[in-house]
Amino acid sequence: EAGVTQSPTHLIKTRGQQVTLRCSPISGHTSVYWYQQALGLGLQFLLWYDEGEERNRGNFPPRFSGRQFPNYSSELNVNALELEDSALYLCASSLRDILLGGTDTQYFGPGTRLTVL
Amino acid sequence: QKEVEQNSGPLSVPEGAIASLNCTYSDRGSQSFFWYRQYSGKSPELIMFIYSNGDKEDGRFTAQLNKASQYVSLLIRDSQPSDSATYLCAARRGGNQFYFGTGTSLTVIP
Repeated sequence: EAGVTQSPTHLIKTRGQQVTLRCSPISGHTSVYWYQQALGLGLQFLLWYDEGEERNRGNFPPRFSGRQFPNYSSELNVNALELEDSALYLCASSLRDILLGGTDTQYFGPGTRLTVL
Repeated sequence: QKEVEQNSGPLSVPEGAIASLNCTYSDRGSQSFFWYRQYSGKSPELIMFIYSNGDKEDGRFTAQLNKASQYVSLLIRDSQPSDSATYLCAARRGGNQFYFGTGTSLTVIP
């Protein structure tokens, strides 16, 4: 079974540009999560999509946005890039397992490394 | 105060020893807790989760949760060099928001 896939693997952009990152969840998973992992800061929660709707977002400015498509794949858009947006962007997917009390175990993709110059 | 805190390490243990990794969380409303392993340059991979007080064992790994103390730990028995990685602790709150610690770097010395 294929895992979570992300594209592209690497990106180099300049300040002020816009970027779109893509994620395909594990087959059958309906939830997609986006995280930013900057050096030394750990994983920061960005966004959660489930069944096509944005369910929650972390403490990030509105220039971070995204969407989820009917096939449950997702895009993360970042506008007006800043130097501090340089990070590894990780996508995770989960299948709600109510038998486990809704633990929503997340499985991560390989990530997209974004460098902003 | 960070939502989830971990000692950054590095933690070094000899091969075959028990590695003990610790994590504290600030929100008593956190419902479930996860341990992930992340090799350098790779994405996190799930080791195990726990949501009830006490111990949960899976092979060489044991997760321990103490909600009164807001403390989660991971024990790795019979540590192997392949266990050398950064271990991330995560707490899940309501609204399905997950908070991750910055990770503890573990090195198992052959």
